[in-house]
Amino acid sequence: GDSVTQMEGPVTLSEEAFLTINCTYTATGYPSLFWYVQYPGEGLQLLLKATKADDKGSNKGFEATYRKETTSFHLEKGSVQVSDSAVYFCALSSLFSGGYNKLIFGAGTRLAVHP
Amino acid sequence: NAGVTQTPKFRVLKTGQSMTLLCAQDMNHEYMYWYRQDPGMGLRLIHYSVGEGTTAKGEVPDGYNVSRLKKQNFLLGLESAAPSQTSVYFCASIPGQGFGAFFGQGTRLTVV
Repeated sequence: GDSVTQMEGPVTLSEEAFLTINCTYTATGYPSLFWYVQYPGEGLQLLLKATKADDKGSNKGFEATYRKETTSFHLEKGSVQVSDSAVYFCALSSLFSGGYNKLIFGAGTRLAVHP
Repeated sequence: NAGVTQTPKFRVLKTGQSMTLLCAQDMNHEYMYWYRQDPGMGLRLIHYSVGEGTTAKGEVPDGYNVSRLKKQNFLLGLESAAPSQTSVYFCASIPGQGFGAFFGQGTRLTVV
């Protein structure tokens, strides 16, 4: 079945460091891909998305490129801030038999940024 | 525009008690989902709905029931709560495939 695998955390970085969180997926068909962020005590918020191969999603300095050849959607940011500390989830959305949309999440990666 | 609203936000149940979690969205979305979030396990899909009057099982449906009598509401029921159902429950909705999901703030449920 469809699935999302992302790197285990926690990821601990100093402020202004470069961030990469790896995400790979398995899916039949052509899924849309997403990154969500969850701050402590809150629900998930959409960070960015890409709906087809080679699309780049970007928001708040974060970027991710939909790579069909490597089935990956790695999250990157050039210079992280303390306020970026959160849990990041990679997810895919695709149609399966019967035309139903399914939304599948990775396990989440906790990011801690220190001053 | 309230988005997705979950009630209650917190609840403590005794083993064997029942309760219903309510999810309400005001965006006219077709798809609605119930997830549970447990440490180290990410979000696991309990049940979902593709429209008013329709529901389907997700990854971990046992011990839960759902109903979608109105398009804007998706109810999650626990008939006989068990300690293994201690978790944070999230509701989400999307308008269709390819769109990002809108999440509620979550319900923290403890079963003792």
